[in-house]
Amino acid sequence: DTGVSQDPRHKITKRGQNVTFRCDPISEHNRLYWYRQTLGQGPEFLTYFQNEAQLEKSRLLSDRFSAERPKGSFSTLEIQRTEQGDSAMYLCASSLSVASGNEQFFGPGTRLTVL
Amino acid sequence: GEDVEQSLFLSVREGDSSVINCTYTDSSSTYLYWYKQEPGAGLQLLTYIFSNMDMKQDQRLTVLLNKKDKHLSLRIADTQTGDSAIYFCAESRTGGYNKLIFGAGTRLAVHP
Repeated sequence: DTGVSQDPRHKITKRGQNVTFRCDPISEHNRLYWYRQTLGQGPEFLTYFQNEAQLEKSRLLSDRFSAERPKGSFSTLEIQRTEQGDSAMYLCASSLSVASGNEQFFGPGTRLTVL
Repeated sequence: GEDVEQSLFLSVREGDSSVINCTYTDSSSTYLYWYKQEPGAGLQLLTYIFSNMDMKQDQRLTVLLNKKDKHLSLRIADTQTGDSAIYFCAESRTGGYNKLIFGAGTRLAVHP
């Protein structure tokens, strides 16, 4: 399967714990996005990488959130001191900058539940 | 999704056409997209349209764009039970690193 993959698919954690999610984009895609989706809502943009550079962060991304893409391939999203309000589906998408429509292809998501 | 609005629910009979509507507010939108999400799954890109086009057809899917009214629609011909899902409209803006702004989604229910 050459699509976007995310790991883990589900994560249950206790409030105050740290969690880290991984995203592997489609191999030749240089753009990588993180979104968050809560129940009954559409995805909301969190952050964007072009290659290894993090070029934009949403105001939704508090100081407890950090994302990296160290070699311009896979990316990690870490949430420190999780809160119940962090419970959501975290979606990763990738695209190719030279593609005419900049189509973003999404992974299956990581569902986070904070108890 | 406050800048992109969709009706929340649509129910159609199998074999009929479905029309899902979306309105957006930013006139600088470059591309507009339709995604499909099935329960517990990620988003599947269905189709997209460039803002200088007014129509795009792809098999059973027809996208209509009225740029003056900032209105986008997705028509699904011969709707099948497998089309039951949530459909999201999204816009991509100039200068925004092509981040997507999504609506809240329209739940399409197809009944026999």
